[in-house]
Amino acid sequence: EVQLVESGGGLIQPGGSLRLSCAASGFTVSSNYMSWVRQAPGKGLEWVSVIYSGGSTYYADSVKGRFTISRDNSKNTLYLQMNSLRAEDTAVYYCARDLLVGAADYWGQGTLVTVSS
Amino acid sequence: SSELTQDPAVSVALGQTVRITCQGDSLRSYYASWYQQKPGQAPVLVIYGKNNRPSGIPDRFSGSSSGNTASLTITGAQAEDEADYYCNSRDSSGNRVVFGGGTKLTVL
Repeated sequence: EVQLVESGGGLIQPGGSLRLSCAASGFTVSSNYMSWVRQAPGKGLEWVSVIYSGGSTYYADSVKGRFTISRDNSKNTLYLQMNSLRAEDTAVYYCARDLLVGAADYWGQGTLVTVSS
Repeated sequence: SSELTQDPAVSVALGQTVRITCQGDSLRSYYASWYQQKPGQAPVLVIYGKNNRPSGIPDRFSGSSSGNTASLTITGAQAEDEADYYCNSRDSSGNRVVFGGGTKLTVL
């Protein structure tokens, strides 16, 4: 059974850093497109980043230069390192497995990141 | 442009057919994917590619595309279809993704 379990969210002050983890089971992270999508409270979905099976990474303009997507093949885990956090980064962050880029067939339950002083 | 535009809200009578649309320049080059999201839950993929449904998605959900517009059609809407629906596609770069603003579907 495919499962994605995010962790690492919490309350962080503006300018701070946080690393989200997404532990996968039932499939191999390194063989798939994997992405992060976020949703601010009461708002719509916003694509954040993707890592291809070959290792290429891409980011939304809103996070480029501040966020880094990566994976640990030995742990079958996806990460999102978030630096220089801003209030507008407050959201539920979902990790997802993509069948095709943009077509995410499995999602985690989400982890809430709150950036506030 | 890398934006996708959706109507904020649509309503349909129980058992009737409803079409939810998504407009954007990227849709001339890339297919849209469609997601259903109910309150407090993660999104669920309902349509991807030309018109593909993941396992477990009822066949009353279908997708189509013409020019810069993608459509999600629900034929015979059920009460459980009441939800927010989002489209997305690759953007003009081909490597990033953009989401539409979402459509809140009410089943009357």
